[in-house]
Amino acid sequence: EVQLVESGGGLVQPGGSLRLSCAASGFTFSDHYMDWVRQAPGKGLEWVGRIRNKANSYSTEYAASVKGRFSISRDDSTNSLYLQMNSLKTDDTAVYFCTRWDVRVSKIDYWGQGTLVTVSS
Amino acid sequence: DIQMTQSPSTLSASVGDRVTITCRASQSISTWLAWYQQKPGKAPKVLIYMASTLQGGVPSRFSGSGSGTEFTLTISSLQPDDFATYYCHQYESYPLTFGGGTKVEIK
Repeated sequence: EVQLVESGGGLVQPGGSLRLSCAASGFTFSDHYMDWVRQAPGKGLEWVGRIRNKANSYSTEYAASVKGRFSISRDDSTNSLYLQMNSLKTDDTAVYFCTRWDVRVSKIDYWGQGTLVTVSS
Repeated sequence: DIQMTQSPSTLSASVGDRVTITCRASQSISTWLAWYQQKPGKAPKVLIYMASTLQGGVPSRFSGSGSGTEFTLTISSLQPDDFATYYCHQYESYPLTFGGGTKVEIK
């Protein structure tokens, strides 16, 4: 069974940093692209970014709203995905979802339960 | 960036109704589109991908159509479990973008 479990959320002050983690299991993690998607309280979904697999050089893509502040990385040896968030703003307050991208058929096919990040003084 | 505009933003319907949600892209995305269903406090769930392919395990009352810039999600006969928020999602180009969502409420 595919499982994605996020952790690391919490309360952080504006300008601060936070690192989210996602533990993956039930599939060959190293084969897949992985995305982060966020959802501000009471709002819609916003794609944050993507990291490709080793075959595609672990290359990354980011939304304009986070580019230069957020960084996605992965550790295939531990089946872990990370989101390093720096220079956090109040607008970054959201539930952050770890998701799996199915390259073969082009879709986000699995989502974690999400972890809440609150940026507030 | 490709903007995805969903309509309506809220829809009131009764069990058994046929429901149609529209998603318009600001430029052509071919069929690089998915539809997701989200219930309160839960992660989204994929219903349709590549504009019209039904995800395994999703009831056949859900269907998707369209290509280019105009897409629709249709629920042929609304069931109690279908009251939720629905999002379209384009993945033709980066940054990937979602529509603003359509909340389907009980009439």
